[in-house]
Amino acid sequence: LAKTTQPISMDSYEGQEVNITCSHNNIATNDYITWYQQFPSQGPRFIIQGYKTKVTNEVASLFIPADRKSSTLSLPRVSLSDTAVYYCLVGERSGGYQKVTFGTGTKLQVIP
Amino acid sequence: NAGVTQTPKFQVLKTGQSMTLQCAQDMNHEYMSWYRQDPGMGLRLIHYSVGAGITDQGEVPNGYNVSRSTTEDFPLRLLSAAPSQTSVYFCASSYARQGAASSGNTIYFGEGSWLTVV
Repeated sequence: LAKTTQPISMDSYEGQEVNITCSHNNIATNDYITWYQQFPSQGPRFIIQGYKTKVTNEVASLFIPADRKSSTLSLPRVSLSDTAVYYCLVGERSGGYQKVTFGTGTKLQVIP
Repeated sequence: NAGVTQTPKFQVLKTGQSMTLQCAQDMNHEYMSWYRQDPGMGLRLIHYSVGAGITDQGEVPNGYNVSRSTTEDFPLRLLSAAPSQTSVYFCASSYARQGAASSGNTIYFGEGSWLTVV
């Protein structure tokens, strides 16, 4: 089963670029890598998803090396409102179906 | 488009009481799931369903029952509430039975249900 490992917490000053790395050594061939953001008292929300190389949207970039055993979420020029928990997800297969489990995530604290 | 709707948002139960957390989605998603999140912790999967009539256990299923009689609804039942079940509960859904992490699917979450068992 594919498990993910992320740093428990990170601090960053406003305006800096933040990179959060996730390792997923047992990722399956067909699995995508998805990142979610969760603010206090809210459900997680989708940030970005990718399969390989680099993906960029209006919120973040996702870098995935060729072996796909890790991925890095990059948040450009963070602001205080980016303070949240960030989860890295890959799929798990069980009996032909797939269930989605979350790790503990990375708590990002943006400092003024 | 309402997305994923959970009710109630807040509930206080006495130990031993039973209750049902309701979850409904209007996106015709096959995959639905329930998570619980304890203070300062990540989300833990309780039960999930890959379609009407099909359910399976997640990481922490004990003390909870689910059923999936329709595509839209996925209620979570607490059989005999215990203080250890005090938590925030999130319902989620996504398009395909393959879940959210493959085939480019995205999980949509409800706003959460805050449950306190005293």
